[in-house]
Formats: sequence, C-alpha cells, structure tokens
Amino acid sequence: NAGVMQNPRHLVRRRGQEARLRCSPMKGHSHVYWYRQLPEEGLKFMVYLQKENIIDESGMPKERFSAEFPKEGPSILRIQQVVRGDSAAYFCASSPPTGGETQYFGPGTRLLVL
Amino acid sequence: AQSVTQPDIHITVSEGASLELRCNYSYGATPYLFWYVQSPGQGLQLLLKYFSGDTLVQGIKGFEAEFKRSQSSFNLRKPSVHWSDAAEYFCARRDNYGQNFVFGPGTRLSVLP
Repeated sequence: NAGVMQNPRHLVRRRGQEARLRCSPMKGHSHVYWYRQLPEEGLKFMVYLQKENIIDESGMPKERFSAEFPKEGPSILRIQQVVRGDSAAYFCASSPPTGGETQYFGPGTRLLVL
Repeated sequence: AQSVTQPDIHITVSEGASLELRCNYSYGATPYLFWYVQSPGQGLQLLLKYFSGDTLVQGIKGFEAEFKRSQSSFNLRKPSVHWSDAAEYFCARRDNYGQNFVFGPGTRLSVLP
C-alpha cells in the first residue's frame, strides 16, 4: 500500500510564474490536507479537501493560492504569480473516510522562487 | 487560539543518554495529540498518538509519550538515544473544531557520538 505521494519533490520557479503541486493520497483515503512549512518553522495548515469539495480553507492566503481535489486524479495546490516569500516546503497529508484522527504525510514539495 | 508549544528549539544529547522533548497544548478538552519526526529533506513520520485511555502511549523506534492533563503536556521520551534519532520532532494536536492539525514549532535533536 503506497503512502501519500507528492510531485514534484523539488520545484524551481521565477517570480511571476505559476507553481502547481500534486498530491495523491493513500489508497482508500478521501480526505486531503495541505500544509506549508517555512524555513525553521513548524507546519501551518492551509486547506482541507474531500473529493470535489473544499471543506476548510481558513489557512489559505486570500490571493494567488487555490486548491482542488477532483473526482479523478490527484489533489492540486496552485500558486499563481509566485513571489519569493512563497518559497517553502508544501506537505500533503491524507486520512481515511472515517475522519481525520490520524493524518499521514507525503514527502513534501520544496518550492524555490528565484 | 489553540496552540502547541515546544519550549526547546534545539537539544543535544549523547548517544545512549535518555531523552525528553517537551510539548504543551492550550485549550482544555482532551485533544488528539501526536508526535511526528522529520529527517532532513524528508516528510513527517508518525511516532505515536494519544486519543484517550492509558495516558502512557508507546510508539515506534522505542519512543513513548505521557499525557498529563493537569500540566497540559504530552512529553516525548526515549530511554536511550541512537545516532539515527537526530532529526526534527514535531508535536501536534487535532483542532477541536475542525479536521486540521495544529503543529508546534519543532525541536531539533542533535546526537553526539
């Protein structure tokens, strides 16, 4: 049973470009969470999704950031017009349909904005 | 706001010595509590979790943690540290009102040979 998969593992973008991060949850999991980890800091919650629904986006910046979890395919975190401050590690976690008692994390995508 | 604090930013211990990493949480209702470990450049691996019941929980890699309601603490312990335990350790709680996790800032563990 494969764990949570994220790709790419590393992503380099220039200011103003778009970054698209993908997350495939563990098999059988239908809840996906995105977190951001700035250098030397802990993880901060961004958004919680179920299939085709955004449940909680209270941690998402109001502009440039969006997330989706379509019926088919991975969850996508999209950052438009990236700025240097977006450089961080972005982690995806998933949990089973029974709820979020335990979240299982992917290896992360490390975004560097030049 | 709900929070998780880890008072120690960086701890250094000698290999074979005992270890205790501190974690405190805010807000009283019994939370779901977790410890994760992150090796450099890697994702987070779950060490152990507490939901209810026995306040001393055993995890992987020889770690254990004790929930103390009176102190709002969930400290992580290991009786004998190995060099491979050098990593960043995060305490987390599940949000009382939602599904997301609230993480502490982390404690970086260095192990001396």
